[in-house]
Amino acid sequence: DSGVTQTPKHLITATGQRVTLRCSPRSGDLSVYWYQQSLDQGLQFLIQYYNGEERAKGNILERFSAQQFPDLHSELNLSSLELGDSALYFCASSVGGGGATGELFFGEGSRLTVL
Amino acid sequence: DAKTTQPPSMDCAEGRAANLPCNHSTISGNEYVYWYRQIHSQGPQYIIHGLKNNETNEMASLIITEDRKSSTLILPHATLRDTAVYYCIVRANTGTASKLTFGTGTRLQVTL
Repeated sequence: DSGVTQTPKHLITATGQRVTLRCSPRSGDLSVYWYQQSLDQGLQFLIQYYNGEERAKGNILERFSAQQFPDLHSELNLSSLELGDSALYFCASSVGGGGATGELFFGEGSRLTVL
Repeated sequence: DAKTTQPPSMDCAEGRAANLPCNHSTISGNEYVYWYRQIHSQGPQYIIHGLKNNETNEMASLIITEDRKSSTLILPHATLRDTAVYYCIVRANTGTASKLTFGTGTRLQVTL
């Protein structure tokens, strides 16, 4: 158990819909990262937040958005869903933000299926 | 961050040492070598990391060559539960965002 909690574990929805994935980082961790893993793309970095502020952005689509709340939990919002958005979405947390040598702790992921 | 090259797959007999190589010939002086693994669609799990010196923890050993252009992750006594995809990642820790960039990794199959 990494200490990172993601909900829901599984989600099935239709094209065009909007979903929200939630992540609770490990106690004391200030950074939250979101990754997408689809069969043909591997693990792709989406976005990082550190203590409520966006720190780095990767290959995140404009239809996707994220935020980190004062209690440090984070939400990833996916809208106008397409079939290609079907994937595992992982959240990770770490103690520090930029410049840290600490490890990232990953949750068990949220599996999104778009029909 | 520097690019890494790993073999796509390897086999190892249970109880034997698994030696997973990684080439990172363009590594910079401030970049660390990290190893993570992912067991069948679970979240990636940190294994070990190092800068210059060899490192060892309860899971594995990391051997980094003197020129730092390659490294080897050693699982001393592989078990069936070590079957996973192993990712070698090179990452700088210089004040920029500390994300990890995953490549395609090495799929390690441990067999009886």
